Amino acid sequence: GESVGLHLPTLSVQEGDNSIINCAYSNSASDYFIWYKQESGKGPQFIIDIRSNMDKRQGQRVTVLLNKTVKHLSLQIAATQPGDSAVYFCAENRNQFYFGTGTSLTVIP
Amino acid sequence: GAGVSQSPRYKVAKRGQDVALRCDPISGHVSLFWYQQALGQGPEFLTYFQNEAQLDKSGLPSDRFFAERPEGSVSTLKIQRTQQEDSAVYLCASSLPKGRGTEAFFGQGTRLTVV
Repeated sequence: GESVGLHLPTLSVQEGDNSIINCAYSNSASDYFIWYKQESGKGPQFIIDIRSNMDKRQGQRVTVLLNKTVKHLSLQIAATQPGDSAVYFCAENRNQFYFGTGTSLTVIP
Repeated sequence: GAGVSQSPRYKVAKRGQDVALRCDPISGHVSLFWYQQALGQGPEFLTYFQNEAQLDKSGLPSDRFFAERPEGSVSTLKIQRTQQEDSAVYLCASSLPKGRGTEAFFGQGTRLTVV
């Protein structure tokens, strides 16, 4: 079947450290991926995206890495801040978006 | 408005009652998605529109769920004879057509509680 899953359901990091959130996908035909951040009581918010013809994409404090060989995505957040505390989802896009369960990131001040 | 707007934000329904959830997408976005998000889970796809055409409704869990977008803008998700298992947050998202930037923008969701 088709699925997008996350390796770890929870992650706690110290403020100022870097965070790495991982995601596995199973459909090799997927050509577009998005990382979303969801805070409590809010809808998912776009963070960064990457197309399958790329291995890496950088944004402000965030980097997404794509390894198509092992069908793995990661989101790296540099200098994690308390405001980064949220649930992070990777989403795989074909016609619609398929989401994993999410990783809950807690930043310890 | 600047973003995707959903109403109501919260809805409490008695079991067996019909409900209607509204989504106003971003102006100019032709693609519209509905998702269901249970507590502690990721959003689960329900249905997808391109303009007024419902191109995929494979995620609708039963024939009690119905969605429409008659003029290709505002969409309504209707749930008939609500059951307790329908309690969830219902998210709406909109995007430009694929090939023009496929990032989907989400609304804040409608939290439905069936009692």
